[in-house]
Amino acid sequence: ETGVTQTPRHLVMGMTNKKSLKCEQHLGHNAMYWYKQSAKKPLELMFVYNFKEQTENNSVPSRFSPECPNSSHLFLHLHTLQPEDSALYLCASSQELGAGGYNEQFFGPGTRLTVL
Amino acid sequence: GQQVMQIPQYQHVQEGEDFTTYCNSSTTLSNIQWYKQRPGGHPVFLIQLVKSGEVKKQKRLTFQFGEAKKNSSLHITATQTTDVGTYFCAGQNGGTSYGKLTFGQGTILTVHP
Repeated sequence: ETGVTQTPRHLVMGMTNKKSLKCEQHLGHNAMYWYKQSAKKPLELMFVYNFKEQTENNSVPSRFSPECPNSSHLFLHLHTLQPEDSALYLCASSQELGAGGYNEQFFGPGTRLTVL
Repeated sequence: GQQVMQIPQYQHVQEGEDFTTYCNSSTTLSNIQWYKQRPGGHPVFLIQLVKSGEVKKQKRLTFQFGEAKKNSSLHITATQTTDVGTYFCAGQNGGTSYGKLTFGQGTILTVHP
């Protein structure tokens, strides 16, 4: 529907597991984002990639490791997570318009993560 | 850091009643965006406001950006059950890094038929 896909849609993992979330955008955008959405909290920006370069790391713990191999793909590698990391993880993309302008963000459906 | 406060947190209305959610930023914004998230869904972009005092309409939805570019509102006239969801405002400060949006907590709207 939005041109941004995320896999898996649901993930249950133990605290010692290592897993990865994948995001792909088919919109030709040059910026991609990871957000965390917890119950009763606003959307929290985690990482921003602009032209494959990380431009923002919003004080995210090192157990979350992003990777952006190209402008269409974004990964979030997870290891030794805590139960409080359980949340909906949303990927988004947008297009820079030039001169610092930007367009709206298109969100993927999200990955519902549960850490046991 | 920049904070964006949104009120109310919850709003329950009867179908046909009006609804308004308000957004206030601790800093002057370069622009503000509004998103809607249906239950179980993901945020979907509604509109962007850029100019001081700007007013935009989309059918029954009216969006306003304050003169000081620190506050905004979304007003829905004659709500329908399809309006159910969470409405987020998201502000960008021109001094922050590219593309960074600060989201409000959202207003959860329920509409009783």
